[in-house]
Amino acid sequence: NAGVTQTPKFRILKIGQSMTLQCAQDMNHNYMYWYRQDPGMGLKLIYYSVGAGITDKGEVPNGYNVSRSTTEDFPLRLELAAPSQTSVYFCASRGLDRGDSPLHFGNGTRLTVT
Amino acid sequence: AQKVTQAQTEISVVEKEDVTLDCVYETRDTTYYLFWYKQPPSGELVFLIRRNSFDEQNEISGRYSWNFQKSTSSFNFTITASQVVDSAVYFCALSEITGNQFYFGTGTSLTVIP
Repeated sequence: NAGVTQTPKFRILKIGQSMTLQCAQDMNHNYMYWYRQDPGMGLKLIYYSVGAGITDKGEVPNGYNVSRSTTEDFPLRLELAAPSQTSVYFCASRGLDRGDSPLHFGNGTRLTVT
Repeated sequence: AQKVTQAQTEISVVEKEDVTLDCVYETRDTTYYLFWYKQPPSGELVFLIRRNSFDEQNEISGRYSWNFQKSTSSFNFTITASQVVDSAVYFCALSEITGNQFYFGTGTSLTVIP
């Protein structure tokens, strides 16, 4: 059981380039999330989705886009990379309608924008 | 307003000492859920425990114990006889029954010195 899979693990982008961070889960979870983690700043929510076709902004959505065409996949798109987007990105999922369901995290993508 | 506060940014202890990580939360919901996650130096986020708001029993799991007090809105985490492998960043999180989001504290970095 793979859980939540993120690709790539590492990436270096030049300013202005674009890329998509991939996230897939095989637990049939409806809820999926994208967080970024900056040193000493904890986890900040970028976007989340409560099911296929439904997405919503989190705390820091600017500069990012998401889509949720299937239950399994929740890609995060950076259109014009900026140095401020240098961070570690975590994708997570949780089960349906259960407030006590924990988040299951992927192993993260370390992104550097130079 | 910050919903989860971890006031201790960094803690260092000598191996075999006990250490308590503090977590204070804020919510208007009467039903909510609290979580602790561990992030070791390898970077992944590992779920440790969840607690429902209507269950104030303390929990012990080996060297780990959690003290939940609704009266002070706290959900503290104690490691007894700390070991080097406990060195990690620990995050406290809150999930409200009325929303879809997790709220994370900024984390406490624990270093256990051999």
